Amino acid sequence: EVQLVESGGGLVQPGGSLRLSCAASGFTFSGSWMHWVRQAPGKGLVWVSHINSEGSSASYADSVKGRFTISRDNAKNTLYLQMNSLGAEDTAVYYCTRSLGHWGQGTLVTVSS
Amino acid sequence: DVVMTQSPLSLPVTLGQPASISCRSSQSLLYSDGNTYLSWFQQRPGQSPRRLIYKVSKRDSGVPDRFSGSGSGTDFTLKISRVEAEDVGVYYCMQGTHWPPWTFGQGTKLEIK
Repeated sequence: EVQLVESGGGLVQPGGSLRLSCAASGFTFSGSWMHWVRQAPGKGLVWVSHINSEGSSASYADSVKGRFTISRDNAKNTLYLQMNSLGAEDTAVYYCTRSLGHWGQGTLVTVSS
Repeated sequence: DVVMTQSPLSLPVTLGQPASISCRSSQSLLYSDGNTYLSWFQQRPGQSPRRLIYKVSKRDSGVPDRFSGSGSGTDFTLKISRVEAEDVGVYYCMQGTHWPPWTFGQGTKLEIK
């Protein structure tokens, strides 16, 4: 069974940083593209970032480019999202997804002073 | 970026009756490999999104056959043949042909009359 478990969310001040993790199991992690998708409170789904299976290529939404970095450790079956220079507009539940077909439960990031 | 436009945004349906959601893209979603990368997602209240349909009409594992997808080019439809109480939630279409970014529709909220 595919399992994706996000962690690392929480309350952070504007301008601060946070690193999200996503522990994967039940599938060949090293063979899967992975994505982060976020959802602000009461709003729709917004794609944030993707990384290819080897970790050699990534892409970002314009709204996070230059502030967020996606990475992965295939030996640990773990996906990461390093988020810097956070603002109120980044407040959302962040979902880890395997090729947008399987989704984790999400982790809430709240940016507030 | 490809803009995905869903209609209606709110869909009250009587139990046992059919339901239909439209999704239009700002450009054709037909990819050079012959596939059309249009997916549908369901998000029940308080839950993570779940993919129902990929490549326009292919149902994901475990998805009831009362859900069906159709369309081509820029016009797509998700149909529920007979709505059940567990179908309440928000439905999103998403394109994965012209990436990055992967883009979602605004969401359609299905409720029981």
